[in-house]
Amino acid sequence: SQQGEEDPQALSIQEGENATMNCSYKTSINNLQWYRQNSGRGLVHLILIRSNEREKHSGRLRVTLDTSKKSSSLLITASRAADTASYFCATVPNSGGSNYKLTFGKGTLLTVNP
Amino acid sequence: DAGVTQSPTHLIKTRGQQVTLRCSPKSGHDTVSWYQQALGQGPQFIFQYYEEEERQRGNFPDRFSGHQFPNYSSELNVNALLLGDSALYLCASRWWDRTNTEAFFGQGTRLTVV
Repeated sequence: SQQGEEDPQALSIQEGENATMNCSYKTSINNLQWYRQNSGRGLVHLILIRSNEREKHSGRLRVTLDTSKKSSSLLITASRAADTASYFCATVPNSGGSNYKLTFGKGTLLTVNP
Repeated sequence: DAGVTQSPTHLIKTRGQQVTLRCSPKSGHDTVSWYQQALGQGPQFIFQYYEEEERQRGNFPDRFSGHQFPNYSSELNVNALLLGDSALYLCASRWWDRTNTEAFFGQGTRLTVV
């Protein structure tokens, strides 16, 4: 079953605009990760945020985590056509080091128009 | 440094047949997980292997089985294929004892059951 739900399911913006995607989850987590997938191929890791962190930056990416609301957001600033992809959040449960299984949402399809 | 490699890239099988998919983890990684991604959905966890043993399993029937070899590579076997098994199968690797690190994914095997 899917733990996370991304919102929106699809997002279309113009190059140069910012894109914000949200993710909600249900259970206690150890960390939350964002991945990108181009055209149904492999997943590329973007950023990991631990449960005791509230915000993290990596280049044009900014991720926030609110564990009280069980939600996270991914902001991509100054978007480019090459950012067109599906974006997934995935959670690792907070139940011991061996229990590392990623639970994914259904993803947000981002289209950046030139 | 080679990342995660999967073979084959594409595969077409007939209902009722058996299939074996292969995965070589990123250099240095000792843990391999398999995920199934149906069209338009997020990946779903199948199982995880460490030290040649299945350590954790998702909600998949016994028709799905796996193996990990001493060199950490892994196989996913699916018996008695159903049309619903058509999906992208993703392999991910990581270090077993590093919970707060990302998983690295291969490019996937696209399985079509006809």
